[in-house]
Amino acid sequence: AQSVTQLDSQVPVFEEAPVELRCNYSSSVSVYLFWYVQYPNQGLQLLLKYLSGSTLVKGINGFEAEFNKSQTSFHLRKPSVHISDTAEYFCAVRKVAGNKLTFGGGTRVLVKP
Amino acid sequence: GAVVSQHPSRVICKSGTSVKIECRSLDFQATTMFWYRQFPKQSLMLMATSNEGSKATYEQGVEKDKFLINHASLTLSTLTVTSAHPEDSSFYICSARGTGGGTEAFFGQGTRLTVV
Repeated sequence: AQSVTQLDSQVPVFEEAPVELRCNYSSSVSVYLFWYVQYPNQGLQLLLKYLSGSTLVKGINGFEAEFNKSQTSFHLRKPSVHISDTAEYFCAVRKVAGNKLTFGGGTRVLVKP
Repeated sequence: GAVVSQHPSRVICKSGTSVKIECRSLDFQATTMFWYRQFPKQSLMLMATSNEGSKATYEQGVEKDKFLINHASLTLSTLTVTSAHPEDSSFYICSARGTGGGTEAFFGQGTRLTVV
């Protein structure tokens, strides 16, 4: 079975500062990796995904993530955050041959002016 | 990206009544749909997976008779919470994957259910 750990439950950050959200996973088989964002009372929106190839993945809204197989990590970064980036962020994995997403516990990002 | 529409976005119902939530894929055919439940400030918990035309597969601990899932067409799945109780109050989210085994699942906007 897979598991996903998001090491920080909450990350306060000032506007225009960089942010990194950490995600580590555990799986005995190959997986796809995803980052989603959830705004209050809404569903999830895909930020980016890693399927194969280049380990640096660029997503929407200026976010990027790096897949590190040896450290089983998929950390999300943004060099300069906006107030509008205040949201909940979820890391998720799915077995390449599977169907179900396994989510981490989420990281709440609060961007302060 | 593809659009998944979930309706209603909010619903309040009385204890003991049933409520139906719809999940529609608007511009693609969804062979597989997933239903999640999310408690405040927590992650998503998968309740069940449904494939078009067959019975849903429920996760351990999820009551099949309480949470009825129907996936009668390639664009529509419904979740019916039967005989609702206040502890069923939660945020329910659906997601859908298209035909051809695409890698990405698209999510609905979620439904806030309050049972009074």
